[in-house]
Parts: sequence; structure tokens; C-alpha cells
Amino acid sequence: AQTVTQSQPEMSVQEAETVTLSCTYDTSESDYYLFWYKQPPSRQMILVIRQEAYKQQNATENRFSVNFQKAAKSFSLKISDSQLGDAAMYFCAGNGGTYKYIFGTGTRLKVLA
Amino acid sequence: NAGVTQTPKFQVLKTGQSMTLQCAQDMNHEYMSWYRQDPGMGLRLIHYSVGAGITDQGEVPNGYNVSRSTTEDFPLRLLSAAPSQTSVYFCASSYSSRGQGETQYFGPGTRLLVL
Repeated sequence: AQTVTQSQPEMSVQEAETVTLSCTYDTSESDYYLFWYKQPPSRQMILVIRQEAYKQQNATENRFSVNFQKAAKSFSLKISDSQLGDAAMYFCAGNGGTYKYIFGTGTRLKVLA
Repeated sequence: NAGVTQTPKFQVLKTGQSMTLQCAQDMNHEYMSWYRQDPGMGLRLIHYSVGAGITDQGEVPNGYNVSRSTTEDFPLRLLSAAPSQTSVYFCASSYSSRGQGETQYFGPGTRLLVL
């Protein structure tokens, strides 16, 4: 079985500052994949970043980066230089050993001008 | 490419009515899936398919049927709608039937209200 836990229902960040969203992923599989999706008010789900568990290097996409700590089962998302357009729900998701993708309950990010 | 499309965008049903939520993709993706999104619960997998003619259950399959007769289409059927099925439904697809680790592309969602 796999579980995804997001313990922060809501976070706030000042524009241009940095914020980190937390996620833990638990699975018995050694090979798995982790994702962060963004859902703005439009409701469209947008992939932010993807991490392969067997890769040592943390994934980076422009202002978005992850801190993947495999032993701690931690997969946090860091957003640098936050912008008003970053305000959204952020979902962590995992996929390991099965065809099933499991999503966390989400973190609502507010960006303050 | 239109990507993943869903119809309708919004639907109101009465308890006991049936309906089909449509999902189509034009990216020749083998893997398709249906999720429901409820407040505070994230997205939960209802059913998925790894190719035409092959479907399987997700976390919350009860009350829903699916079929996959073509690569492009993956309809979700509610046989007898219940208020507990009030939700936002998302269809998603990914390139490989391997499923694992592939990036999923989501449709815009269908909001369903069951009275």
C-alpha cells in the first residue's frame, strides 16, 4: 500500500519570498515516482515537478525545486521568488509498483502582495 | 491537440438518475483514469485503464462503471446517482500503459451535483 500525507492545509507567503510545502510518501516499493501538481482557481491540474526515487539529484524546474529525503520519506516543494500567480492548491502525489496514483489532501498556498 | 476533454462541465442530477461523464484524449495515450475530488480529501482514483478493453478499479469504485472500447475514449457511468456522488470529477491520461511514473495530463473537470 502507498500513502501520501500533506500536513499543512494552508500556507501563506509574501510575494518574492520563499515557501516550502511538505509531503511524506510511504510505500514498500524501492522504485517509485513523486509529483507535485498545482490547481489554480480554474480547477485545471498542472504538473509542477516530478521526481524519480532512484535518482540522487533533486528535481528543479525554474523557481520550483524539491527536497527529496528518501530515508525520511519526505518530498517537500520549495517555491522561490513567490509570485501572485503561484497562489493555488498544491497536491503531492506518488506512484510506486502499481498503476495507481495516490494524491495527498492538498495545501492551499496564499501569496500576499 | 485538444489534450484531454471532458463533457459536460456541470451537471445536476436527481437521486436515482443515471448519466455518463465523457472523457476523450487525442494524444494516443494508453493509460487513462478517473478521479473524484472532494473538499479536504484530495483526488481519489475511481477506475483506470491501461489500454482498450482493459479496465481496473481504483480506491473508490463503488457506484461507478467504466469501459474502454477505443484508445481515445474512457466514459464514466453512474448507474443510480446518490448525493454522496456529488463531487468534481477529473479524467487524466498518460502516454504509457506502463502507468508507473508517467506524467498524467488532466481534463478540466466535471462538476456534478446530485440532489
